[in-house]
Amino acid sequence: EVQLVESGGGLVQPGGSLKLSCAASGFTFSGSAMHWVRQASGKGLEWVGRIRSKANSYATAYAASVKGRFTISRDDSKNTAYLQMNSLKTEDTAVYYCTRPGVYGSGTHYGYWGQGTLVTVSS
Amino acid sequence: QSALTQPASVSGSPGQSITISCTGTSSDVGGYNYVSWYQQHPGKAPKLMIYDVSNRPSGVSNRFSGSKSGNTASLTISGLQAEDEADYYCSSYTSSRGVFGGGTKLTVL
Repeated sequence: EVQLVESGGGLVQPGGSLKLSCAASGFTFSGSAMHWVRQASGKGLEWVGRIRSKANSYATAYAASVKGRFTISRDDSKNTAYLQMNSLKTEDTAVYYCTRPGVYGSGTHYGYWGQGTLVTVSS
Repeated sequence: QSALTQPASVSGSPGQSITISCTGTSSDVGGYNYVSWYQQHPGKAPKLMIYDVSNRPSGVSNRFSGSKSGNTASLTISGLQAEDEADYYCSSYTSSRGVFGGGTKLTVL
């Protein structure tokens, strides 16, 4: 069974940093891209970024709203993806989900999701 | 990319059918047959309902169906049930970044 478990959320002051983790199990982590998606309270889903597999050179991509402040990385030996968030703003307050592509068809969908971890940016 | 455009809300009575639209551009919805739909109940993670425009993952009811015409994709739910009340989001593959719709709240009257 595929499982994604996020951790590391919490309260941080504006301008501060936080690092989220996503522990994966139940599939070949090293072969899968991993994405981060966030959702502010009462708002819609916002794609944050993704990291591809080693076979795809660990290529990363980010939403314009976080580019230059957030960094996605992974440790395939630990089956874990990370989201390093720097220079945090109040508008970064959200539940952060890690998600991976599904196994159907083109694989361009988000087939598996974690339970999310809440990040609150406030003074 | 900007978010895909969805109606903020739709409603229907039990047993009826509803359709939720998702409008993008030729760079996302119109450029690829890679539209997916997600259902989200309050406090829960999203759940994949449709992938590649019109395909259902195993375990998803055949009351859910998807289609696409040009730059607009659609999700249709037939035989509405109380449990279908939730938020629905579309998403499309793009060449570089992920993109979601703004979400549609479905109310079952």
